[in-house]
Amino acid sequence: QSVLTQPPSVSGAPGQRVTISCTGNSSNIGMGYGVHWHQQLPETAPKLLIYGDSNRPSGVPDRFSGSKSGTSASLAITGLQAEDEADYYCQSYDSSLSAWVFGGGTKLTVL
Amino acid sequence: QVRLVQSGAEVKRPGASVKVSCKASGYTFTNYYLHWVRQAPGQGLEWMGIINPSGGSTNYAQKFQGRVTLTKDTSTSTVYMELNSLRSEDTAVYYCARDGGTVTAAVRADYFDHWGQGTRVTVSS
Repeated sequence: QSVLTQPPSVSGAPGQRVTISCTGNSSNIGMGYGVHWHQQLPETAPKLLIYGDSNRPSGVPDRFSGSKSGTSASLAITGLQAEDEADYYCQSYDSSLSAWVFGGGTKLTVL
Repeated sequence: QVRLVQSGAEVKRPGASVKVSCKASGYTFTNYYLHWVRQAPGQGLEWMGIINPSGGSTNYAQKFQGRVTLTKDTSTSTVYMELNSLRSEDTAVYYCARDGGTVTAAVRADYFDHWGQGTRVTVSS
């Protein structure tokens, strides 16, 4: 059982827009801790995609965007491409656990 | 560029210990915290602990308290993760990951900006 809750899977056709939700509580996202997103392509290490709720590291396309409100956050991917097919994890910090926490991951399938 | 290079795959018997290394390069080793995260087969990511490469202080997830030890060797810019009393449930890929903020920053970053390639640890009799 992950501290942060994500849908197990989402899908979309090439060129479409998809969103992935991430729900926490008052000890993590609701406390004001940043939400970060990591992309894990098949059989590879995770890679930072979004940090501090909505910031993109250098090299990440602007098709990827993040937002946060209350105890939830979202990752949006526009103009879906086949290469976006991967697992996506949200991540934050939890003050009651004194631990860095992840969502269970969402598998994105590009139809 | 920042690189985190981990040691190779390990196969261990139940009850044994494993020590995985993570060699950092491309930045000042003592300036950034390093985390360890693991991923069991077909499962999600799980945070294990953090080490300050400057002073060596550590903080562990409650689940691993008493069974995991993080250490560092400043002379080689390497951090180590040792996990004891291995059981089959410890079969996983273990990653080191750099924290996005410096150890002297006034505000914590709390995210992982670079990841190692992962080390597969298999626990089997």
